[in-house]
Amino acid sequence: NAGVTQTPKFQVLKTGQSMTLQCAQDMNHEYMSWYRQDPGMGLRLIHYSVGAGITDQGEVPNGYNVSRSTTEDFPLRLLSAAPSQTSVYFCASRRGFGYTFGSGTRLTVV
Amino acid sequence: GQSLEQPSEVTAVEGAIVQINCTYQTSGFYGLSWYQQHDGGAPTFLSYNGLDGLEETGRFSSFLSRSDSYGYLLLQELQMKDSASYFCAVRLNQAGTALIFGKGTTLSVSS
Repeated sequence: NAGVTQTPKFQVLKTGQSMTLQCAQDMNHEYMSWYRQDPGMGLRLIHYSVGAGITDQGEVPNGYNVSRSTTEDFPLRLLSAAPSQTSVYFCASRRGFGYTFGSGTRLTVV
Repeated sequence: GQSLEQPSEVTAVEGAIVQINCTYQTSGFYGLSWYQQHDGGAPTFLSYNGLDGLEETGRFSSFLSRSDSYGYLLLQELQMKDSASYFCAVRLNQAGTALIFGKGTTLSVSS
């Protein structure tokens, strides 16, 4: 049981480039979400999904898109990377009260 | 706005007991959770309090007082491996689709 798998683990982008952060879970959880973590800021919700075909915005959605075509996958797209998007990105899924997080993607935008 | 306040750092020695407090002011409240994070790795779920009172899970306990908008995480018999960051998080709605986190408390355990 792999839980929540995120790829890549590290990425460096140039300003203006686009990319997709991948997230997959094998626990058949309906709820999935993306968070970013910045130093001293805790985790902030970017987007979430309550099931295939259903997504919604969180606290900090600007500059990011998501889609949910299957229960297992929830990719996060950066449309045009900016230095302000340098962060650690965590994907999480949930059943019940506790969230299961992936190991994160460390993104640097130069 | 939403705010969760917790101390930024706490230090303790092995075998001791430490309490990490969390006070919150939020637009909605359906429960308080605690997460542990080692060295920037994946946060892991520790506990959830939906009702007032104490929840115990092994060496860890969590408490909630909704009337005081306050909760705490109690760690007993501290071990070196407990050195980590601890985050409180408020569930804002019944569906559980909105979870906001505090900025975290770094716990350092020394021998």
